[in-house]
Amino acid sequence: DQQVKQNSPSLSVQEGRISILNCDYTNSMFDYFLWYKKYPAEGPTFLISISSIKDKNEDGRFTVFLNKSAKHLSLHIVPSQPGDSAVYFCAAPLDTGANSKLTFGKGITLSVRP
Amino acid sequence: DAMVIQNPRYQVTQFGKPVTLSCSQTLNHNVMYWYQQKSSQAPKLLFHYYDKDFNNEADTPDNFQSRRPNTSFCFLDIRSPGLGDAAMYLCATSGTGDYGYTFGSGTRLTVV
Repeated sequence: DQQVKQNSPSLSVQEGRISILNCDYTNSMFDYFLWYKKYPAEGPTFLISISSIKDKNEDGRFTVFLNKSAKHLSLHIVPSQPGDSAVYFCAAPLDTGANSKLTFGKGITLSVRP
Repeated sequence: DAMVIQNPRYQVTQFGKPVTLSCSQTLNHNVMYWYQQKSSQAPKLLFHYYDKDFNNEADTPDNFQSRRPNTSFCFLDIRSPGLGDAAMYLCATSGTGDYGYTFGSGTRLTVV
């Protein structure tokens, strides 16, 4: 069973606008979440993360929000740029502590139109 | 630059013909992972090594094997590839205290 769910397979936004990518999870024991970005024919690269003790983490144009009661997190990209067009994966460690196996969602394909 | 390198980037193999994918890392990370990703699906963990300790996922088919001869290298062996094994295979590493991975560029496997 998928413990991390990205239910919208794709999103298209205009350059300069906000992109909001959503992720839901089922396991309330998850204490850390990560977002990865993947371009075609390349491996995923780490984008941003958030600990469950926080509800927001910001890094430049990227902000991740965590709503533990709803078991929901979202990645906001403001302003969106054409170079942001990629697949975005939400992930969570299956165990507490470092070096834990990650479980991934199916990914969301973001297209940013010039 | 320290990195994770997968070879080859693209591999075509015949149905039933054994194939080996390789991964090397210059990060000196102690944990290495192999994931299988099929189109529009989540990456699926096949197995991982914590140092030399091999950890197989319960649902990883016996057709898939792995070797880690040293810290830097890890291999994925598919003994008898089927059409359903066509996928992107991703190698990743993590170091002591890391919560995330460093991925290689992946190997796209085609079975004909």
